Amino acid sequence: AQTVTQSQPEMSVQEAETVTLSCTYDTSESDYYLFWYKQPPSRQMILVIRQEAYKQQNATENRFSVNFQKAAKSFSLKISDSQLGDAAMYFCAYRSAENSGTYKYIFGTGTRLKVLA
Amino acid sequence: NAGVTQTPKFRVLKTGQSMTLLCAQDMNHEYMYWYRQDPGMGLRLIHYSVGEGTTAKGEVPDGYNVSRLKKQNFLLGLESAAPSQTSVYFCASRPGLAGGREQFFGPGTRLTVL
Repeated sequence: AQTVTQSQPEMSVQEAETVTLSCTYDTSESDYYLFWYKQPPSRQMILVIRQEAYKQQNATENRFSVNFQKAAKSFSLKISDSQLGDAAMYFCAYRSAENSGTYKYIFGTGTRLKVLA
Repeated sequence: NAGVTQTPKFRVLKTGQSMTLLCAQDMNHEYMYWYRQDPGMGLRLIHYSVGEGTTAKGEVPDGYNVSRLKKQNFLLGLESAAPSQTSVYFCASRPGLAGGREQFFGPGTRLTVL
């Protein structure tokens, strides 16, 4: 069975600085998807970025980028130019490919990010 | 386009009471999911559905039942609530095989069982 591990329960970053959140996963599959979700105090889960395992290029969305290391089964999130609005809980998630017949998403336990003014 | 909505947003139950949480989506999504979120444990899948009339068990299904009589609705029932079911419940949906990859989440329901 697949697992997702976020080893940093809490991180802090100074406003305008860069921070990296770690995520590792375990799977025997070769094709899958990885996601980072943000959960602000409002509780609403918001997709930050996603990565398809078959793509070698790291995904980027504005100030958010990932470092996807398939062989190491690592999927870290880098937030550049941190803003106060980035303060939230961040969840890493895994999903098998469409042809696996598995429809489930596996979530990590989350990392709470604090942004210091 | 309201996306994914959940009713109610908050609820307090006494042990042994029953209730139903309603999830509705207006995006014509095939797949729907119910999760619970507890401190330090992330999101855990309770039940899910891959289409109207279908349901399947997730990671923590005990004490819950679900129904998907209409494509747009996914109901989560607690027949006899227990304090261990105090949690925040999230519903999510996503398109079918030809659709996108990510899930879209509702705003959550905070349930307290006394």
